[in-house]
Amino acid sequence: SQQGEEDPQALSIQEGENATMNCSYKTSINNLQWYRQNSGRGLVHLILIRSNEREKHSGRLRVTLDTSKKSSSLLITASRAADTASYFCATSPYKLTFGKGTLLTVNP
Amino acid sequence: DGGITQSPKYLFRKEGQNVTLSCEQNLNHDAMYWYRQDPGQGLRLIYYSQIVNDFQKGDIAEGYSVSREKKESFPLTVTSAQKNPTAFYLCASSQTGSDIQYFGAGTRLSVL
Repeated sequence: SQQGEEDPQALSIQEGENATMNCSYKTSINNLQWYRQNSGRGLVHLILIRSNEREKHSGRLRVTLDTSKKSSSLLITASRAADTASYFCATSPYKLTFGKGTLLTVNP
Repeated sequence: DGGITQSPKYLFRKEGQNVTLSCEQNLNHDAMYWYRQDPGQGLRLIYYSQIVNDFQKGDIAEGYSVSREKKESFPLTVTSAQKNPTAFYLCASSQTGSDIQYFGAGTRLSVL
């Protein structure tokens, strides 16, 4: 069963704008990860946030985690056309469970 | 370069035929995974292996088989029992104790 559920399913923005996507999950987690998938390619790990962390940064990425609401958000600042991809959240423990993803389109 | 290599990139299966997808890694990871991805969907776990000569079924193992004879290799066979095999198949690996997975570029399987 898929635990993570991303929202929105699709997002279209202009270059330079910020993109925010959300992930909700159902059961307790050890950590939550975000992955990116370019069309027709494999997934690439972006960032991991542990259940005892509330916010984490990596370059233009900012991830927040609210365990009381069982939700996470991924913010991409100053987006670029190269950020166009699908973004998935994945939760653990045990095996990773992926959501259906948010398709982000950044228009030049 | 370290990484995960999946081959072939495209594969076609005839009805009643078994086909094998290759996955090789040189990251020295103990754990390896096979996922299936359908259009517009997330990843579903088929099989995983945490150590050589051992593997476990994932959420959708029916119609698939695997082997793990070497640490570097985790081939997936799509058998004729899998009636809807058309999908994008992804192989991944991870270090023991880490939840971060590293993915190959995928194999797209279609039915002739």
